[in-house]
Formats: sequence, structure tokens, C-alpha cells
Amino acid sequence: DAMVIQNPRYQVTQFGKPVTLSCSQTLNHNVMYWYQQKSSQAPKLLFHYYDKDFNNEADTPDNFQSRRPNTSFCFLDIRSPGLGDAAMYLCATRAGPQETQYFGPGTRLLVL
Amino acid sequence: AQTVTQSQPEMSVQEAETVTLSCTYDTSESDYYLFWYKQPPSRQMILVIRQEAYKQQNATENRFSVNFQKAAKSFSLKISDSQLGDAAMYFCAYRSRGNDMRFGAGTRLTVKP
Repeated sequence: DAMVIQNPRYQVTQFGKPVTLSCSQTLNHNVMYWYQQKSSQAPKLLFHYYDKDFNNEADTPDNFQSRRPNTSFCFLDIRSPGLGDAAMYLCATRAGPQETQYFGPGTRLLVL
Repeated sequence: AQTVTQSQPEMSVQEAETVTLSCTYDTSESDYYLFWYKQPPSRQMILVIRQEAYKQQNATENRFSVNFQKAAKSFSLKISDSQLGDAAMYFCAYRSRGNDMRFGAGTRLTVKP
């Protein structure tokens, strides 16, 4: 059973055209993360939510925004995608301080 | 700041043989968790094994086991009886209580038939 779901799996957008990636979870975890992963590199944390408490990494570009309307859903908005934003975007969740982090399958973003 | 180092960008192993992937980390914390994640090409990142720092016993999951050396801050992953499906990128990760996960750069494992 899918636990962390990301849609779409592949997204093509045009340079400068806003795009939204979505993540949902059936685990009822209170922590949700967005990572950016470029080819053959480790995931890079963009931001995370602890419940509704939003935490932005210091080096996350302003071009990236996030929304979490409820426990189950989290969105990543890229306001003006550049060619350098082409990457895999991973969503992850965690139940609590001692718990394991679970990843979704990712959305691969292509910017034309 | 906590850092995680995987010194082997690439490793290869013959099918049915054993391979060990290295990981070291730097921390001043005493309570933390260590993880190995597997990411096959174009597929989902999944948890392979997890170790709590307060546990002295090394974690084991079927063919996967770790050698956790807390004093040396070392956390290596041993894969026994390697299978073709084990080919993937393997990430070592560290997390202390209340903090975000830190990943190593990854080791790409190739399994030769």
C-alpha cells in the first residue's frame, strides 16, 4: 500500500512557468519534508513542516515555496523555474523524533 | 555541524558474494540514529536498515547487517549473498533527536552476474 504518494511522477514545465508538485501521505505523520535531488547526488533538504510549523533551510531559494493545508497534503510551488531547477523532488514523512523517515517515489521535473 | 562521509563513490560485487559499504560521521551528540537507504535507478528511496546509537547490538535485516562502532563513529553496511536487485545507490544518513537528517554523498553499487 502506498504510504507517501507524489503526483505527478514526471512533470515538464517551461522556463519561468510556475509549477506545483504535490505530496500526500496515509501515515498521519506530523512531519513532512521536501528534498531536491540532482543526478547521483544526495537529497538536499529544502524545507519541512512539523505539523503546521514551517521550517525553511537557509539556502533554499525564494523561488521555492511550500504549503501544507492539512496533515495529509503538502505542496511545493516553484514560482519561476529555471533550468537549474530540473531535478528529482522527494517528499518524505516522519511520525516523531524517534521515528524513521519514509520517502515518496519522487517527481522528476524537467524544465524546457 | 554533523557530517556524514561515504568515501566510496562506487563499489562492485560479484553476485552471491559479500560487500561492505563504508560510512563515517561526525557528531558531538550522544543520542542519535543512523540509517542506510537504498535508491535503485529511477526508483523510490527505501530504508534498508536503522541503528539507534544507544543500542550496542548491531542491527540486522536478513542479508543486510551493520557494523556500528560508536567510538570510531563508523557505520558500515554489509550485504551478504549479493543479488542483482541489490544494485542501487546507497545513502548513509544520520539524525539526532529533533534535528533533520544528514545524508552522505552516496555509494553506487554494481552487482555483476
